[in-house]
Amino acid sequence: ETGVTQTPRHLVMGMTNKKSLKCEQHLGHNAMYWYKQSAKKPLELMFVYSLEERVENNSVPSRFSPECPNSSHLFLHLHTLQPEDSALYLCASSQESALNTEAFFGQGTRLTVV
Amino acid sequence: GQNIDQPTEMTATEGAIVQINCTYQTSGFNGLFWYQQHAGEAPTFLSYNVLDGLEEKGRFSSFLSRSKGYSYLLLKELQMKDSASYLCAVTGGGNKLTFGTGTQLKVEL
Repeated sequence: ETGVTQTPRHLVMGMTNKKSLKCEQHLGHNAMYWYKQSAKKPLELMFVYSLEERVENNSVPSRFSPECPNSSHLFLHLHTLQPEDSALYLCASSQESALNTEAFFGQGTRLTVV
Repeated sequence: GQNIDQPTEMTATEGAIVQINCTYQTSGFNGLFWYQQHAGEAPTFLSYNVLDGLEEKGRFSSFLSRSKGYSYLLLKELQMKDSASYLCAVTGGGNKLTFGTGTQLKVEL
């Protein structure tokens, strides 16, 4: 238990579906992140939120839409995905003001696009 | 930009010592992290280095040379449960982590 909870753990969706991934952190952190982990590839940073403001969007396609309603919750809205979007999506949080604070990760959502 | 290299796979024997290397080129550097990730689980924090030298924490140690852009993770007295992926990650501007591909370590009897 890392203090970061992601739901659902597994998701299968069609290319025309709309779904959302949810992340919740109970650590009092002020920064939250979405990462994508594909087989044989490094963890790819997708979005960064600091104090509920999006501070980074790493050239992610618009079919991925993040939302951060407050410092404890982060969503990733998905629509019209492609099969190559199948991956493990990891949420993380950290305390932005401290230089040496590690990021704490959730268990991830295993997404399969069919 | 950031570029981080580490070996894809390593195999070692239970009870032995293994060293996992990581080299990086970054436009900014605030520190280097090592994470452990078991299959199907979240990455978990192992160590953090910001100054040159060795940081020891039980069976695990991590070394950093900022001038060489080089780090290693040393695992002693290997156990079967140490079989996992070990991720090297660097923080540049802010606290955003950039990860390497990870090194899949297999511990054998």
